[in-house]
Amino acid sequence: ETGVTQSPTHLIKTRGQQVTLRCSSQSGHNTVSWYQQALGQGPQFIFQYYREEENGRGNFPPRFSGLQFPNYSSELNVNALELDDSALYLCASSSGEGLPYFGPGTRLLVL
Amino acid sequence: RKEVEQDPGPFNVPEGATVAFNCTYSNSASQSFFWYRQDCRKEPKLLMSVYSSGNEDGRFTAQLNRASQYISLLIRDSKLSDSATYLCVVIDPGTYKYIFGTGTRLKVLA
Repeated sequence: ETGVTQSPTHLIKTRGQQVTLRCSSQSGHNTVSWYQQALGQGPQFIFQYYREEENGRGNFPPRFSGLQFPNYSSELNVNALELDDSALYLCASSSGEGLPYFGPGTRLLVL
Repeated sequence: RKEVEQDPGPFNVPEGATVAFNCTYSNSASQSFFWYRQDCRKEPKLLMSVYSSGNEDGRFTAQLNRASQYISLLIRDSKLSDSATYLCVVIDPGTYKYIFGTGTRLKVLA
């Protein structure tokens, strides 16, 4: 196991709702990145946080936002959920530019 | 052209077979490459890094062809437990983002 944990494991929401996903990084890691993996696709980079600041963002709209806390844990918030937001959301932690280690993911279903 | 492209498969091979996957990348300035393995409904896990000189780890061999801009993964003596999706990852040299391919699905049959 990598030591990266995510909650919840599964979630069902309806269109228009808001969701918050959580991630605890591996001990000693100060960087957290979030990915969205739709069925049959590879993970797509959403954004990355380093020492509580966003330092990289993929092609996702502003309704995808995040936070990183002083203990380096992180949240991903998605507002105004759409059906296409249904996916596995993966959090990965790393130390600076080291290799990322993934958590088990949160499976989100939007109805 | 996609930044990272893989044949989605599935590749169905018998136990003991040798199988190879390729992954092409579009940015010729890319320097760092990896193969990740993802089991069904699980998170991706690092399988191996890909070095310029090629590298081997047991039954797995990874190679880089800079001229043709592709990396490859060779699996010898396939086991049932090798059944998984293999994701190619390229680090964008400008942003350091990890760019994943769609993955190649491998099924090793008894």
